[in-house]
Amino acid sequence: DAGITQSPRYKITETGRQVTLMCHQTWSHSYMFWYRQDLGHGLRLIYYSAAADITDKGEVPDGYVVSRSKTENFPLTLESATRSQTSVYFCASSEAPGGGNQPQHFGDGTRLSIL
Amino acid sequence: DQQVKQNSPSLSVQEGRISILNCDYTNSMFDYFLWYKKYPAEGPTFLISISSIKDKNEDGRFTVFLNKSAKHLSLHIVPSQPGDSAVYFCAASDHFASGTYKYIFGTGTRLKVLA
Repeated sequence: DAGITQSPRYKITETGRQVTLMCHQTWSHSYMFWYRQDLGHGLRLIYYSAAADITDKGEVPDGYVVSRSKTENFPLTLESATRSQTSVYFCASSEAPGGGNQPQHFGDGTRLSIL
Repeated sequence: DQQVKQNSPSLSVQEGRISILNCDYTNSMFDYFLWYKKYPAEGPTFLISISSIKDKNEDGRFTVFLNKSAKHLSLHIVPSQPGDSAVYFCAASDHFASGTYKYIFGTGTRLKVLA
């Protein structure tokens, strides 16, 4: 089925470990985004990508790394996980730069717990 | 400081009645406003949007009103149905210097429609 899928859906790891969250979309959307959702903060943008090999920082990029070698994939890596990175992570994509008439479409999220 | 605020964490409404969800913002340069609906363990789903040059947009049972002078928007759901029970996020779009849009989300309002 076409859409945007995230894996894993749930992950538990320990502080200091490296962990990668995967995001795959089948729409061939140029734009992809990573958000985290925390109580009291809504969704906050971590990184975004306008095309393959083009990435840029969002609101809360510290401690995260992204890559985009293929249009359909946009993995998010926590190089050395910390407890403050415990959160629900959402990947999104959009056909165009965004705006209200070409909204972002979200995956179902990855719940990450760091012990 | 939050640029998009949803001051009501929760709202309960009887089935068939009107649900009104509110959102306030601080930046008059936002060009689009969007509403997303989120069910548990799923990603946010786009519901409806409005351009900053309009004051109303309607889609079936959902209407969004924008009051630019008050920096306030609201989502009306009429009639409310039990399936509308979800968390609703208000978002405003701004753009990076690169032209990519970024969404700034409120903290969400949990709507419960009582049968």
